[in-house]
This record gives sequence, structure tokens and C-alpha cells, in this order.
Amino acid sequence: KAGVTQTPRYLIKTRGQQVTLSCSPISGHRSVSWYQQTPGQGLQFLFEYFSETQRNKGNFPGRFSGRQFSNSRSEMNVSTLELGDSALYLCASSLVGDAGELFFGEGSRLTVL
Amino acid sequence: AQKVTQAQTEISVVEKEDVTLDCVYETRDTTYYLFWYKQPPSGELVFLIRRNSFDEQNEISGRYSWNFQKSTSSFNFTITASQVVDSAVYFCALSDNFGNEKLTFGTGTRLTIIP
Repeated sequence: KAGVTQTPRYLIKTRGQQVTLSCSPISGHRSVSWYQQTPGQGLQFLFEYFSETQRNKGNFPGRFSGRQFSNSRSEMNVSTLELGDSALYLCASSLVGDAGELFFGEGSRLTVL
Repeated sequence: AQKVTQAQTEISVVEKEDVTLDCVYETRDTTYYLFWYKQPPSGELVFLIRRNSFDEQNEISGRYSWNFQKSTSSFNFTITASQVVDSAVYFCALSDNFGNEKLTFGTGTRLTIIP
């Protein structure tokens, strides 16, 4: 059974650009959540999608957005990148999104120059 | 607001020693879940355990055991007879009472097992 797949694994952007990260959940999982991991702030919840609807959102500015498609794949977008957006972005999927076991991908490491 | 505190930033022990990772949490919710995740160098977090706030029974799984004490708001994790493969960053996390995937993570404890 394939795990959670995140693409790209690494990317470098410059300030002001935008970026789109992709996440393919485990087959059959309907919930996808995103977390940002930085040395300074640790792991912080970005948002969660369930059946194409955003069910929860963390305390991030509107530059951070996401969506989920009918096949449960999810994308997150960060517009007008800032240096502080440099982080490891982790996607996690779960079967029904009921605070059960989360299955994480290996993350997309974004560097903003 | 919810908060998870892992006061131990880094711990190093010699292989085969026992080690306990501390986790203290704060929440106003009466219903919540507590978790432990392991993050190896590859980056992905690996689920270890989930504990419901109404279930204070300790749990043992092989060399791993967890002690949940509501009275002290603690959910500590002990590895018995540590092995080099246990080297990783360990995170304690807390859900809210809505039972969704919005977890509040602690800052993690980096555990190094010295061969």
C-alpha cells in the first residue's frame, strides 16, 4: 500500500514568488491535513480538508491556501513568499479525519531566498 | 488555548538504557486525544500511540510504554532497553474536543542512542 506522497520534495523560490505543493494521500483516505515545520515555531497546523471541504484552519495569513480534489489529492499554495515561509511542509492523511492515526508524507522542503 | 510542553530538548543515553520522554499538556477541553509521534531523519512523522482523555490506563507495546496522568496533565513515554534505531525526534501532540486533525504539537525531544 503506497504511503502519502508529496511533491516536490525540495524547491527553492525567491521572495514574492508563489509556490504550489502537492499531496497524494493513501488510497481510501478522505482527510488531508497540512503542517508547517520550522526550527523556530515547530510543527504548526495549517489546514485540514475532508471530502473537498476545508474543515479547519490554523493561524496563518491568507497567503496560505489549499484545496482538495474529488480524488482526495490536495494542494497547498503560498503566494507572495516571504523569507519566513522557508520550512518543511508536511502533509498527512487519515481515513475519516476523527483525530485518529495520521499518516505523514516525507514533506516538501521549501527554501525562500 | 491548548499547549504541549516537552521540556527535554535533547537526550542522549547509551544503548540498552531506559529513557523517559516527558510531556505536559494544557487544555480546557474535557474530551481530547493525546498522541506520540516519532520523526526519523527521513522526515515523515510516524504514529506511535493515541490515548483518549477518558482512558488513563497505562499502555505497553513491546519496549515502549506510556504513562497518562490526568491529575498532573502528563503523558510520558518510556523506552526500555533502548536501541540505536530509537534515535529520532519524538513529538507529543494534543487534539481538541472536536475530534479532527488539528493537532497541537510540542517542540519535540531529540533522542540519541549511543552504541
